[in-house]
Amino acid sequence: DGGITQSPKYLFRKEGQNVTLSCEQNLNHDAMYWYRQDPGQGLRLIYYSQIVNDFQKGDIAEGYSVSREKKESFPLTVTSAQKNPTAFYLCASSIGQGLHNQPQHFGDGTRLSIL
Amino acid sequence: AQSVAQPEDQVNVAEGNPLTVKCTYSVSGNPYLFWYVQYPNRGLQFLLKYITGDNLVKGSYGFEAEFNKSQTSFHLKKPSALVSDSALYFCAVRDPGKYIFGTGTRLKVLA
Repeated sequence: DGGITQSPKYLFRKEGQNVTLSCEQNLNHDAMYWYRQDPGQGLRLIYYSQIVNDFQKGDIAEGYSVSREKKESFPLTVTSAQKNPTAFYLCASSIGQGLHNQPQHFGDGTRLSIL
Repeated sequence: AQSVAQPEDQVNVAEGNPLTVKCTYSVSGNPYLFWYVQYPNRGLQFLLKYITGDNLVKGSYGFEAEFNKSQTSFHLKKPSALVSDSALYFCAVRDPGKYIFGTGTRLKVLA
């Protein structure tokens, strides 16, 4: 089945440590996105990429970094500069290519906690 | 800039009653609007979309949404609520290169 896989499901970070969240899709989608969701809040866009080797900052990019070396992969690194990283992280993809009428597909998220 | 607003943090409805989850939008040009549902510890699932055409859009799990251009609204509806519909619902609008989400509405269907 086509879809988006996020791993791990749960992740723990020590103070001062960088961690990387994995996101892989086999939908052949051009565009990929990372969101942060805090309890009782909506989705906030961290980074997005419309095509391989290109990405843009979202609304809350500080303390995060991404890469898009392959079409199917869009890993997110939470750096030590992100002072409040505890949250639920969601990865999504969409067809892109200027097709504005297509919805996003979401993975099942990674819950990151501070030790 | 495009935006959507969900004015209710929570909606309670009795099982079997009709439900409405509200969404209003602000866009320049033609709106591309979406509804998603999120169950605990899961990602968002697509329910339905409005692109153009009929103002009543039918989607998954018996949900539908009514697009009203004069009121700039796109409310999600279901004729008869189920306890299993209890979840977090998000309205979204397409923005160049990305999507803008509302803050979400928690729906509780009471048995």
